[in-house]
Amino acid sequence: DAKTTQPPSMDCAEGRAANLPCNHSTISGNEYVYWYRQIHSQGPQYIIHGLKNNETNEMASLIITEDRKSSTLILPHATLRDTAVYYCIVRVFQGGSEKLVFGKGTKLTVNP
Amino acid sequence: NAGVTQTPKFQVLKTGQSMTLQCAQDMNHNSMYWYRQDPGMGLRLIYYSASEGTTDKGEVPNGYNVSRLNKREFSLRLESAAPSQTSVYFCASSLLAGELLWQYFGPGTRLTVT
Repeated sequence: DAKTTQPPSMDCAEGRAANLPCNHSTISGNEYVYWYRQIHSQGPQYIIHGLKNNETNEMASLIITEDRKSSTLILPHATLRDTAVYYCIVRVFQGGSEKLVFGKGTKLTVNP
Repeated sequence: NAGVTQTPKFQVLKTGQSMTLQCAQDMNHNSMYWYRQDPGMGLRLIYYSASEGTTDKGEVPNGYNVSRLNKREFSLRLESAAPSQTSVYFCASSLLAGELLWQYFGPGTRLTVT
């Protein structure tokens, strides 16, 4: 039960902004949204997280809707090295432990 | 800090053979995880350990056993390997800080069972 829904794939031109959407309609009031990415079968890598407000770091920006039911990860100037699978994740509490449950993510292809 | 390390990086087994995948973390994290990832698929949780001395089944535990040897190490054992276990295996550890859960992954072990 991934608790999030993402499109399976997206394309973006190099140098343009990549906007990756995610629906998390069942998110609870104090649950963070996390984004990770996985480049070519390497271990997933943390990108950004957010709760209510928009967030920005050196890698990306995260826009969360006011009702918190969806969010968008923005890579402002996508490069070929940003080609990866991007995972939008909400924390799950299960069996006495906190876990991040990864779904299939969105495969982003940045084209030259 | 080395973060999360895994050995071996690659392994080929014959059906029925056994092996243990090793994982260690040097970040003093309480929780550790084993995932598998099949081609074109997302990560699926095999087993996790919320703390030293405890382990619990994840989404796909059949055919695997785990040991949380100490706080640093979490091993995954295949007792009798099957071709369906051909996959990339990732170990991870996590730190819960307030409401935030930080998860760190190892580089993966690529296992082929023939």
